[in-house]
Amino acid sequence: DTAVSQTPKYLVTQMGNDKSIKCEQNLGHDTMYWYKQDSKKFLKIMFSYNNKELIINETVPNRFSPKSPDKAHLNLHINSLELGDSAVYFCASSSRAHPGQFFGPGTRLTVL
Amino acid sequence: GENVGLHLPTLSVQEGDNSIINCAYSNSASDYFIWYKQESGKGPQFIIDIRSNMDKRQGQRVTVLLNKTVKHLSLQIAATQPGDSAVYFCAEINQGGSEKLVFGKGTKLTVNP
Repeated sequence: DTAVSQTPKYLVTQMGNDKSIKCEQNLGHDTMYWYKQDSKKFLKIMFSYNNKELIINETVPNRFSPKSPDKAHLNLHINSLELGDSAVYFCASSSRAHPGQFFGPGTRLTVL
Repeated sequence: GENVGLHLPTLSVQEGDNSIINCAYSNSASDYFIWYKQESGKGPQFIIDIRSNMDKRQGQRVTVLLNKTVKHLSLQIAATQPGDSAVYFCAEINQGGSEKLVFGKGTKLTVNP
């Protein structure tokens, strides 16, 4: 009964490749997010979707493209991966009634 | 601006002691605050929240205090246990503004048995 799930948990790839990370939430929330956590543990929001509509788009390279097929899913596709993309990526969700966000377990991306 | 910060990056306590983790925030328009706990290899876990119309909120073994005058937030953990060892983040949001959750840098709490 995982609330927010992400796949894969680990992703190791070469520079220049394209990869995707998937996220699903079964909480019935209408807003989903992607965060990046760097090596110093700093968490920064990247994107936010509400009912499949993009509402927050931080200054993220356009190599990163989120896709929300429905309000329970928010996937992150990354083109032409670079060394600096190595980080842990977290998906989260929240409801309008309660702004507290619930996070997934994270995907550790390593670009070689 | 994004200046939600913490006074202490690391905190080491003895098991059974009380822990206090502090956070300073800069956006006076923030109206909702959350404390998260992140254990190694896991995602941030919601601990407790507080709205700006309150100055104290208690949970199970945890208490959050909010001082809007000096823009300060603290998390108190009573009778700290080894399982409390983690990185703790404060986060703020302005629900009437950007609705973006802004995280502080994090404090690593180590509980010594």
